[in-house]
Amino acid sequence: GESVGLHLPTLSVQEGDNSIINCAYSNSASDYFIWYKQESGKGPQFIIDIRSNMDKRQGQRVTVLLNKTVKHLSLQIAATQPGDSAVYFCAENMASGGSYIPTFGRGTSLIVHP
Amino acid sequence: NAGVTQTPKFRVLKTGQSMTLLCAQDMNHEYMYWYRQDPGMGLRLIHYSVGEGTTAKGEVPDGYNVSRLKKQNFLLGLESAAPSQTSVYFCASSYSLAGGTDTQYFGPGTRLTVL
Repeated sequence: GESVGLHLPTLSVQEGDNSIINCAYSNSASDYFIWYKQESGKGPQFIIDIRSNMDKRQGQRVTVLLNKTVKHLSLQIAATQPGDSAVYFCAENMASGGSYIPTFGRGTSLIVHP
Repeated sequence: NAGVTQTPKFRVLKTGQSMTLLCAQDMNHEYMYWYRQDPGMGLRLIHYSVGEGTTAKGEVPDGYNVSRLKKQNFLLGLESAAPSQTSVYFCASSYSLAGGTDTQYFGPGTRLTVL
């Protein structure tokens, strides 16, 4: 598998449990946040996004929570499945000279045990 | 619709050699990006382009050059490869600069080893 999973924070869960992956962002001016999923040997794939004028957004089996006070983002995965095993990245977007350039976190490796 | 494709998938270079990584997208996206990903780290932006004929530096541009001669292609060049450039390189594209409601679509990556 990808060596990118080594040295990353790791969350191990049992199949069927709920998973919560956390992310601290750095810039209070960031106004758009995205969660990506990266499976071994593949590029990151969009999961869900949220704007700073929201504190919660739900998708299919996933929920993103945003706490701007403490600059914290979380991704909740309901009824976690083995196929959810991957590295999860959060990305924050901040204006830079009028452009939005995303900054990615280090990622969290989620391991789902059957 | 192939999305974002990258060529080659794997490459081994000797120090000092040069090479070009090719990224192609068929989604008519305006914006394209090159990232590198190292073990235990997130994606770091090398260069990006906001349209055909334009390029801009990202977080870690040194040692790399890029060109966007056609809207659908974004080339990443290494003029004189160094072992520190051993990494997995990802290309991405988006309809607009990531920051609105448009997300980035990533290619499968190129694994580059510099000996």
